[in-house]
Amino acid sequence: SYVLTQPPSVSVAPGKTASITCGGDNIGDKSVHWYQQKSGQAPVLVILYDSDRPSGIPERVSGSNSGNTATLTISGVEAGDEADYYCQLWDSTSDHWVFGGGTKLTVL
Amino acid sequence: QVQLVESGGGVVQPGRSLRLSCTASGITFSYYGMHWVRQAPGKGLEWVAAIWSDGSKKFYADSLKGRFTISRDNSKNRLYLQMNSLRVEDTGVYYCARRDRVLIDYWGQGTLVTVSS
Repeated sequence: SYVLTQPPSVSVAPGKTASITCGGDNIGDKSVHWYQQKSGQAPVLVILYDSDRPSGIPERVSGSNSGNTATLTISGVEAGDEADYYCQLWDSTSDHWVFGGGTKLTVL
Repeated sequence: QVQLVESGGGVVQPGRSLRLSCTASGITFSYYGMHWVRQAPGKGLEWVAAIWSDGSKKFYADSLKGRFTISRDNSKNRLYLQMNSLRVEDTGVYYCARRDRVLIDYWGQGTLVTVSS
């Protein structure tokens, strides 16, 4: 089945830009969604269909997807952005929903 | 306001069964497909199963090997997960979640299942 690969951790200083990648075979041909999960809480959708933001998600959160890599970008990082982030897609060949392994974003 | 509330978690011995429930409110439940997603302690999210809005189609993660069954009762706004032959590695928080085509747009707060002798 389809595999999504994320780095286990990313660290960034406050006010800087964090980029979290999600790798997969020709992932640019698929729609990728991103979820934020803060400690002890349920996940929250932060990016849908590669680059769209649900209502309530700030403009400094953005996404892109091309080739073999999808990327979640958070600019002007704040302490409140510290969380685990997961990419997800639907694999049409298997009718399975697939999650990446997750990336822990640490704000230094 | 969409609310998904899971129940039925607890401590169970290996090899035993458990049924989880999820009660939905704030939505027309019968319009939406639903998922179960789990998370082992300190680990990432793992998709478990999905069911179509009318219950006509069901999909499962390959790792479950037929031990789990997803079902729903639209008259009661409830989603279920029947878990049989439980293993220690099934321990984790189980989330009920609403399907929006190819993504998940709402999540419950989860119910903890602990499989231990």
